[in-house]
Amino acid sequence: DAGVTQSPTHLIKTRGQQVTLRCSPKSGHDTVSWYQQALGQGPQFIFQYYEEEERQRGNFPDRFSGHQFPNYSSELNVNALLLGDSALYLCASSVGPHEEKLFFGSGTQLSVL
Amino acid sequence: SQKIEQNSEALNIQEGKTATLTCNYTNYSPAYLQWYRQDPGRGPVFLLLIRENEKEKRKERLKVTFDTTLKQSLFHITASQPADSATYLCALDYGGATNKLIFGTGTLLAVQP
Repeated sequence: DAGVTQSPTHLIKTRGQQVTLRCSPKSGHDTVSWYQQALGQGPQFIFQYYEEEERQRGNFPDRFSGHQFPNYSSELNVNALLLGDSALYLCASSVGPHEEKLFFGSGTQLSVL
Repeated sequence: SQKIEQNSEALNIQEGKTATLTCNYTNYSPAYLQWYRQDPGRGPVFLLLIRENEKEKRKERLKVTFDTTLKQSLFHITASQPADSATYLCALDYGGATNKLIFGTGTLLAVQP
């Protein structure tokens, strides 16, 4: 049973560029949430996708956008990258938007130079 | 806004001792509180969940308490082992439209053999 998979594992970009991160949820899960984790900090909620719609959004600018596909996989897009966007981006999946227990992927480490 | 505090200093203990980690929150109480373990370069892994109407929860060597009066949760690992060395994250959920979690900054636990 595959868990949550994320790609790529590492990424280096320069300021102003755009990036797309990908996530496949755990088998049987239909809801995907994205979190940003800066070094030494806890994960911060970016947004959640369920039934191909954004259900809730955290305190992140519009440069952060997402998408969910019919197979429940998801993408996180970040435009006009800033140095402060350097972080570990985590995808978490669940069965429905209210399931209490989240399953996290290993994340994508994004470095913005 | 909600603030969650965990031991900012790393916790060093000897193998076989009990590790106790603290999670304090401000403002209103969550519907439930979760504890996750995170290893370097990996995503958080769910350990335990405790609801606002529960005082204590146990799972093998792990025990969580929840005091809504003190606005505090304690996480205990008994008979600690070097393999328990990791960062432990406290996360709060306030119910609502999604399973959005608010995480603390985590406490690094180091168990010395």
